[in-house]
Amino acid sequence: SQQGEEDPQALSIQEGENATMNCSYKTSINNLQWYRQNSGRGLVHLILIRSNEREKHSGRLRVTLDTSKKSSSLLITASRAADTASYFCATDANDDYKLSFGAGTTVTVRA
Amino acid sequence: DVKVTQSSRYLVKRTGEKVFLECVQDMDHENMFWYRQDPGLGLRLIYFSYDVKMKEKGDIPEGYSVSREKKERFSLILESASTNQTSMYLCASRPGGYNEQFFGPGTRLTVL
Repeated sequence: SQQGEEDPQALSIQEGENATMNCSYKTSINNLQWYRQNSGRGLVHLILIRSNEREKHSGRLRVTLDTSKKSSSLLITASRAADTASYFCATDANDDYKLSFGAGTTVTVRA
Repeated sequence: DVKVTQSSRYLVKRTGEKVFLECVQDMDHENMFWYRQDPGLGLRLIYFSYDVKMKEKGDIPEGYSVSREKKERFSLILESASTNQTSMYLCASRPGGYNEQFFGPGTRLTVL
């Protein structure tokens, strides 16, 4: 079952701007992960943040996690046309090894 | 680099046909998964396997079965394809523990 919900569903920004998307979830987690999917392709792992971490960076990506609010955000700074994709959060519950994916945020970066 | 491959990128089948989707991973991962992805519904887990010959139902197993005879290969079987099984099918593998998951490129299946 889907646990994560992304917000917004879609986002359109100008090249060079920042893109922020949010993920909310319902139960306790071991970690939360973000994935990117280019049109018609498989998902690619971007970043994993564990439940005892609050913030993590990877290149132009910044992820925050607030376990008290059961929410996470993904920030892409200085966006490029190549960042156009769908972005999914996935939660890793403490009781099994299955990821639960949200429905995703579609990001369009305009040149 | 971990590689997950799927047997076909595009597949067109007729209603009632038996369909096999094959997935192979080359990193000795214990866990393998089959998802379907439909617009607005995100990824839904069909079946997963945590060891050879072991399988567990996901959220939407009806109309599907799976086979895992070897650690590197996980097959999804549509016993009698129906039009509502037209979808993008994604295979993934994952090592033991709480780690990232690696996805194949997907198979876009159309059932006519």
